[in-house]
Amino acid sequence: DVVLTQTPVSLSVTLGDQASISCRSSQSLEYSDGYTYLEWYLQKPGQSPQLLIYGVSNRFSGVPDRFIGSGSGTDFTLKISRVEPEDLGVYYCFQATHDPPTFGGGTKLELK
Amino acid sequence: EVQLVESGGGLVQPGRSLKLSCAASGFTFSNYGMAWVRQAPTKGLEWVATISYDGSSTYYRDSVKGRFTISRDNAKSTLYLQMDSLRSEDTATYYCARPRRRVSFAYWGQGTLVTVSS
Repeated sequence: DVVLTQTPVSLSVTLGDQASISCRSSQSLEYSDGYTYLEWYLQKPGQSPQLLIYGVSNRFSGVPDRFIGSGSGTDFTLKISRVEPEDLGVYYCFQATHDPPTFGGGTKLELK
Repeated sequence: EVQLVESGGGLVQPGRSLKLSCAASGFTFSNYGMAWVRQAPTKGLEWVATISYDGSSTYYRDSVKGRFTISRDNAKSTLYLQMDSLRSEDTATYYCARPRRRVSFAYWGQGTLVTVSS
């Protein structure tokens, strides 16, 4: 199975700061059709996960432009510029390029 | 508005069975494959199973193969997860999720908690 390693495991930020989360894959996530099935999800406390980013860098509808996904191959990054209170929670990267689909271990974003 | 509402969770003894349901609304259910994702208490997310739009194809993670069955009733816009031979490690909140083009889990339900314990 593809292993997604997220770093850091937890991240303490001040509101208004930038936050950066890394997701490294044990295999390239570029599919044979050229698409990279790498997604980012946020799970706020007490809530279901919600989709933020798909295809490495595409924001889902309603997701603010302070969320920026980037990367290729095996290395991916989610940046959150100007962290706001509603951004706190656990972030997961996810890959669906290889079977079975797998999630990263999660990164908890909390206030300093 | 897409809505997914899970039900059927509860406390069950090891080795017993439980069937989860996910009632869908706000979209044409029969046009979409569907999935179940679970989350053990204080743990991360784990894909469980996927079913094609017409139910003809199903996919499972290895740890549930042969014990869980994903199915659907398009006439009732409902997704199911039949869970047999339950183990303590199956204890989790189970979410149903709907994809979108090139997106695995665009929409999620609120989840239903399954606790396997004697």
